[in-house]
Amino acid sequence: EAQVTQNPRYLITVTGKKLTVTCSQNMNHEYMSWYRQDPGLGLRQIYYSMNVEVTDKGDVPEGYKVSRKEKRNFPLILESPSPNQTSLYFCASSPFGGQSTYNSPLHFGNGTRLTVT
Amino acid sequence: AQKITQTQPGMFVQEKEAVTLDCTYDTSDPSYGLFWYKQPSSGEMIFLIYQGSYDQQNATEGRYSLNFQKARKSANLVISASQLGDSAMYFCAMRGGYNFNKFYFGSGTKLNVKP
Repeated sequence: EAQVTQNPRYLITVTGKKLTVTCSQNMNHEYMSWYRQDPGLGLRQIYYSMNVEVTDKGDVPEGYKVSRKEKRNFPLILESPSPNQTSLYFCASSPFGGQSTYNSPLHFGNGTRLTVT
Repeated sequence: AQKITQTQPGMFVQEKEAVTLDCTYDTSDPSYGLFWYKQPSSGEMIFLIYQGSYDQQNATEGRYSLNFQKARKSANLVISASQLGDSAMYFCAMRGGYNFNKFYFGSGTKLNVKP
């Protein structure tokens, strides 16, 4: 089954304790990205990756890191989480194919609900 | 700058009636894609429908259709014959033209279908 898998689904942590949210896709997609969802703000893009070793900032990258060492994996790292990073996080992927890329929808993981106390 | 605007935080519709969810967008790119996603209470994001900036006809997928008015920069989602299972959050999104890597989402519309 084609899917994007995020883990964990729920995470409660304390301020300053480093954490990693994993994301893996089995569709051989070049493009992967991370979003956070907050009430009234919709989804906002944190980071994206166009391919292995190619990443760039989205609209809200502060406090986050990513890496893309393998095509299928795109982990999100919070090195020193703070309470304002409490949110619902989504990983997503899509094909990336030049001019036709703009018509490629995102395939989302099931989300990770993070609480930082 | 916000690229996608959804002005209806919440809506009610009677079962079996049609409903329109509004979405306006802002871009100077000639090429872009517009998408609608459904988020049920379980939280997952479900892709519903897509409209390309060069498409001449409005997109349709089953009970979903997209009322695309390019000059007005609007991409409203129409759900016909609403069902109880349509109760969910709905997000409008745009994939940028010159920068294919950027996705912009609206703040969402919470739809409640009444029996």
